[in-house]
Amino acid sequence: NAGVTQTPKFQVLKTGQSMTLQCAQDMNHEYMSWYRQDPGMGLRLIHYSVGAGITDQGEVPNGYNVSRSTTEDFPLRLLSAAPSQTSVYFCASSGTGGGQGVGYGYTFGSGTRLTVV
Amino acid sequence: RKEVEQDPGPFNVPEGATVAFNCTYSNSASQSFFWYRQDCRKEPKLLMSVYSSGNEDGRFTAQLNRASQYISLLIRDSKLSDSATYLCVVKRNNQGGKLIFGQGTELSVKP
Repeated sequence: NAGVTQTPKFQVLKTGQSMTLQCAQDMNHEYMSWYRQDPGMGLRLIHYSVGAGITDQGEVPNGYNVSRSTTEDFPLRLLSAAPSQTSVYFCASSGTGGGQGVGYGYTFGSGTRLTVV
Repeated sequence: RKEVEQDPGPFNVPEGATVAFNCTYSNSASQSFFWYRQDCRKEPKLLMSVYSSGNEDGRFTAQLNRASQYISLLIRDSKLSDSATYLCVVKRNNQGGKLIFGQGTELSVKP
């Protein structure tokens, strides 16, 4: 199994450009999320989805759009890139439920390192 | 105040040492708890789930105190390969499985 696949791994954008970060998982997970990680800020939730056709905003959604047309794919769109969006972006997925009342942990993709100049 | 708070790092310890990380969370809606490990510039990887009764996986022991909203991770007999950042994570199962991360604690194990 590939797990969670993110593309591209690296990207440089000019201010104002738009682009889509791709995320795909082959584990039939219902939950998928996008996070950004900045130095000194930890991982912050951008958008998340509990299943195909259902998305919701996280902590830092401004400037980003998502859609979930299939269980497998959860792309993140940057509408008009800004230098403040320079970051490392992680996509993650998880099954629902879990044993012993714990809940499943998330599996993360390897990340996309985005620089906006 | 951050919703999930961890010990500030870095922790610098010699090989073979025992090291403990602490974490507190402020939202009682948090329902599942995890420790993740993150190596430099890599994705976070699940280290272990944290069960209410406490659980152990080899050299790693995790404890949860729901009344105090406190989570801990104990690493015994530290190895060089344990050097990483350890992330305390809570998951809200009734809110779309949202993960809330602590800032992370950096561990450096020296020879």
